[in-house]
Parts: sequence; C-alpha cells; structure tokens
Amino acid sequence: DTAVSQTPKYLVTQMGNDKSIKCEQNLGHDTMYWYKQDSKKFLKIMFSYNNKELIINETVPNRFSPKSPDKAHLNLHINSLELGDSAVYFCASSPSQGGMTEAFFGQGTRLTVV
Amino acid sequence: GESVGLHLPTLSVQEGDNSIINCAYSNSASDYFIWYKQESGKGPQFIIDIRSNMDKRQGQRVTVLLNKTVKHLSLQIAATQPGDSAVYFCAERVAGGYNKLIFGAGTRLAVHP
Repeated sequence: DTAVSQTPKYLVTQMGNDKSIKCEQNLGHDTMYWYKQDSKKFLKIMFSYNNKELIINETVPNRFSPKSPDKAHLNLHINSLELGDSAVYFCASSPSQGGMTEAFFGQGTRLTVV
Repeated sequence: GESVGLHLPTLSVQEGDNSIINCAYSNSASDYFIWYKQESGKGPQFIIDIRSNMDKRQGQRVTVLLNKTVKHLSLQIAATQPGDSAVYFCAERVAGGYNKLIFGAGTRLAVHP
C-alpha cells in the first residue's frame, strides 16, 4: 500500500505551459505539504495545509497554487512554467501539529521545463 | 536566514565500519529533529527522531545525538552496509511553526565493500 502517492513521477514540458501534480495520502493525516528539491538536493518547504486550510505559504511565486479538495489530497498547479521551476517536487503528510510527528514523503515528481 | 547543516559532502566508509554524519542547526527554538535517508529516485525516508529535551536516542543500528549547547546533531550508523548508501538529511522543526521542517543540504554516504 502506497502511503503518500504523487502523479506523475516524471513531467517534461515546455516553458509557458501550465501543469498540475497530484498527491494523495491514505494515512489519515491532517497535514500535507509540498517541498521542492533543487539540483543540489536542497529540500525546501513550499506550502502546508491542515484539514484543507493553508497554514504555511513560503515565499513562492504566485504561479504556484496549491489546492486541497479534502484532507487526503493536495494538488499543486503551476502556471506559466519557467526553466527555473525544473526540480523534484515532493508531497508529504504528517499526523498532526506538535509532538514527535515526522513527515512521510511521496516518491517525488521530477519536473523538467525545456 | 534559515539554515540547517551541510553542503552535500560525501562520506566514504568501508562496509562493516561505523559511520557518523554531522549536522549543525541554527534555530535555538527548534524542538524536534529528524534524520531522513534518501535513496536515488526516491523520497526521503524517516530514520530516527529526537525531541529537544533528549540528548540521545537509539534505534536499530542507528543513534542520534543532540547537543543543544552547540546546536549540533549527529547520526551514527553501526556496522554500515551497502544498503545504507544514500543521501542523509537532518531536519529541524521550529516550535510553533506548524510542523514546518527545515532541511539541511544533506550528506552523501558511500559504502564500499
């Protein structure tokens, strides 16, 4: 059983296009995240939702828009893609706020903008 | 600014040796720390965690040490195996920060037979 699943795994697209990445978790967690990993492997949080409510919004261009239809899903839509958006995007989820609650990560979506 | 740890150095060890991966964190308000392992083409995988009121925690073949005085975290892997080869990240959670994890750049562990 896949705990945190994201689709697609690979996405190659041209500059200027709009694309979406989908994420679903079957762990019953309340909180979901999007992280971006650059070519140097640096992982940085982009967004976090708790029970469908946006609670973390880092300094991310407004071309990136997360959407959480329910607490098991957090999708990421990117408008007007740029070369610098090329990266691996990871979805994650965690049980709750506080306590010792590690985040569980999906397998990542490698986005290549050409 | 926010920063945790490393700039992706590589640690090369012989199979069977012990490995120690170090991490420096910057935020004194961090209350929780995690070590993740990331294999090629996969997402980060939880290894072990530690709360800020502890200084040591042991798992199976892994130990995490926390020194809050110098804001230093380490991961010790006993009897390193080829399957341990991966990039290792430390991450800190700032108290009151909605479970936001701040990651370091990672250390690549290469295990040689």
